[in-house]
Amino acid sequence: TQTVSQSDAHVTVFEGDSVELRCNYSYGGSIYLSWYIQHHGRGLQFLLKYYSGNPVVQGVNGFEAEFSKSDSSFHLRKASVHWSDSAVYFCAVRGTNSAGNKLTFGIGTRVLVRP
Amino acid sequence: DMKVTQMPRYLIKRMGENVLLECGQDMSHETMYWYRQDPGLGLQLIYISYDVDSNSEGDIPKGYRVSRKKREHFSLILDSAKTNQTSVYFCASSLQGGTEVFFGKGTRLTVV
Repeated sequence: TQTVSQSDAHVTVFEGDSVELRCNYSYGGSIYLSWYIQHHGRGLQFLLKYYSGNPVVQGVNGFEAEFSKSDSSFHLRKASVHWSDSAVYFCAVRGTNSAGNKLTFGIGTRVLVRP
Repeated sequence: DMKVTQMPRYLIKRMGENVLLECGQDMSHETMYWYRQDPGLGLQLIYISYDVDSNSEGDIPKGYRVSRKKREHFSLILDSAKTNQTSVYFCASSLQGGTEVFFGKGTRLTVV
């Protein structure tokens, strides 16, 4: 069974600040990890993913995420946020032995960027 | 243009009525999904389809059924809708084994 936890339901930052969104997972094998963004009233959009190799992966719009096997984490970061980064962010996991292509999503972290 | 299209975007139905939510994709993706999204619960997988007429239950299939007769179309059917099926429904697609999932804009269903 694969599970994913996003410990922060809400994060508020000022424009230009850095932000880190936490994601922890549990699964007893190799795993695909990804982050998605959902702007208000829209569907989810893919940001980035990790499976193997360099634990720091780059995504669109200046986002990056770092995988840590020891911490079972895949935290998302951005060095300088823009007002348009206000959205809900979802971490998703899929075990390589997962039946089919079943992705499990966290409950999301709502980010509010203040001017 | 890579797109997942959902129709309708908004729907209000009475309890007991049948509901049909439609989804199309133009990427020839083998795998398609139906999720529902509720506050505080994130996205919950209802059904997953691996190709035409190859569908599997997700985590919360009760009260729903699906139909996939063409690779590019995936329908979600609620027979006799219930008020607790009020939610936002998302259709999505991906390549078989793909880790990037493409989502539609969602259908907000209200059952009164």
